Amino acid sequence: DVKVTQSSRYLVKRTGEKVFLECVQDMDHENMFWYRQDPGLGLRLIYFSYDVKMKEKGDIPEGYSVSREKKERFSLILESASTNQTSMYLCASYRTGTPFNQPQHFGDGTRLSIL
Amino acid sequence: AQKITQTQPGMFVQEKEAVTLDCTYDTSDPSYGLFWYKQPSSGEMIFLIYQGSYDQQNATEGRYSLNFQKARKSANLVISASQLGDSAMYFCAMREGSSNTGKLIFGQGTTLQVKP
Repeated sequence: DVKVTQSSRYLVKRTGEKVFLECVQDMDHENMFWYRQDPGLGLRLIYFSYDVKMKEKGDIPEGYSVSREKKERFSLILESASTNQTSMYLCASYRTGTPFNQPQHFGDGTRLSIL
Repeated sequence: AQKITQTQPGMFVQEKEAVTLDCTYDTSDPSYGLFWYKQPSSGEMIFLIYQGSYDQQNATEGRYSLNFQKARKSANLVISASQLGDSAMYFCAMREGSSNTGKLIFGQGTTLQVKP
C-alpha cells in the first residue's frame, strides 16, 4: 500500500514565522501535490511537482513556495505566515504511467493555525 | 476551463435510506475521469469510486454507485442503505485525459450527516 506521511497533524505558528510542512511518500512516485482545504471552497491546488527539483504553480500559489530535493519528499513553505493561511493542508502523490483510473494517494492532512 | 461543481453544502439522510450527492463538471477534453473521495472528520481522504468518460456502464463499488449522465455532464454519487459511518465530507474530482501527472480538480464538497 502507498503511504503518504505528513509530518504534523496539528501545527500552531505565529504571524510572520517561516513555516515548513513536510510530506514523504514511500512508493517512488514522480508526482506530488500540495492542496489547501477550506470550508465551501473544497481542495485547491497550491503547487505540484512532477520530478525532483521540478515544480509548477497550481491555482493559489501566492504566499507559498515548495522544495523537492529528493523524490520521496515534497515540502511546502510559508515564507511569512499570515492568519489567512490558517487552513487544512493535504499532500498527495501519483505515479506517472499508472492506469488512468488510479486515484491520487493522500496523507492525513495538517491542520495549521496561524495566530 | 475545467470545473467541478457540488451544489449541496450539506445533506441529511436517515440511516438505511439511500442518498444522492450531486456533481456536475465542465471540460472540453473528450477523455476524462471522475473520482469520488470520502473525508471523515479525522481528515484522511478515502477513494471511493471512479467513472471514465468512455465507460459504457455506471460504476459500482459495494454500496456506492455513480449515476453518470454524460450529456448532462453530471456524475452523482449514490450511497445505498446509509450507515452512521457514512457521515463525512464527500468530494467529487476530475482528471483530464491530457494529464499524465495525475492532476485532479476538486469540487467544493458536500457534508453528509446520517441520522439514526
